[in-house]
Amino acid sequence: GESVGLHLPTLSVQEGDNSIINCAYSNSASDYFIWYKQESGKGPQFIIDIRSNMDKRQGQRVTVLLNKTVKHLSLQIAATQPGDSAVYFCAEKTSGNQFYFGTGTSLTVIP
Amino acid sequence: DAGVIQSPRHEVTEMGQEVTLRCKPISGHNSLFWYRQTMMRGLELLIYFNNNVPIDDSGMPEDRFSAKMPNASFSTLKIQPSEPRDSAVYFCASRKTGGITGELFFGEGSRLTVL
Repeated sequence: GESVGLHLPTLSVQEGDNSIINCAYSNSASDYFIWYKQESGKGPQFIIDIRSNMDKRQGQRVTVLLNKTVKHLSLQIAATQPGDSAVYFCAEKTSGNQFYFGTGTSLTVIP
Repeated sequence: DAGVIQSPRHEVTEMGQEVTLRCKPISGHNSLFWYRQTMMRGLELLIYFNNNVPIDDSGMPEDRFSAKMPNASFSTLKIQPSEPRDSAVYFCASRKTGGITGELFFGEGSRLTVL
């Protein structure tokens, strides 16, 4: 039969605008939630993490929001730059130290 | 500092052949993870080691896959015999206990094509 690949959500933003990338997770028992960035031909790279007992954490140009009620995680990138173009993955860390990744969102920054 | 080093970067082989992928984690890191990335399934956790001991291999797809970590600076992922559906990019990642909790350091991956 015909194989079907993952349909990667895509987001296009204008350079300088803010980006918001969303993720739904499934495991309420995960103790950390993480965002990774993957550029073409490279391995994923850590951006920021948030502990499950927090709802917001800020880094340099990035903010992660966690809503445990609806099992939703978001990554906000301020003043998006062309170098931010990549695939972004959310991930969950279990108490057993397994890391599980979501399907990813492709971000394209338009100069 | 050297990051996680994987070899080979690319491998093309024929169905039925044995494939061995290699990983050198970052020195001082005590956890090592093997992932497989495909368009069909995304990033899948295959197995992870802590202090060279396999902790969870529930993601290993079948008995054709095996992984070892004979010492703190080396791990292998072996596929025998290989099949076309094993074609994917295989990533190794390492982590340091006591570092940033959510931070895995990934290698650049080994792209496997099985004909």
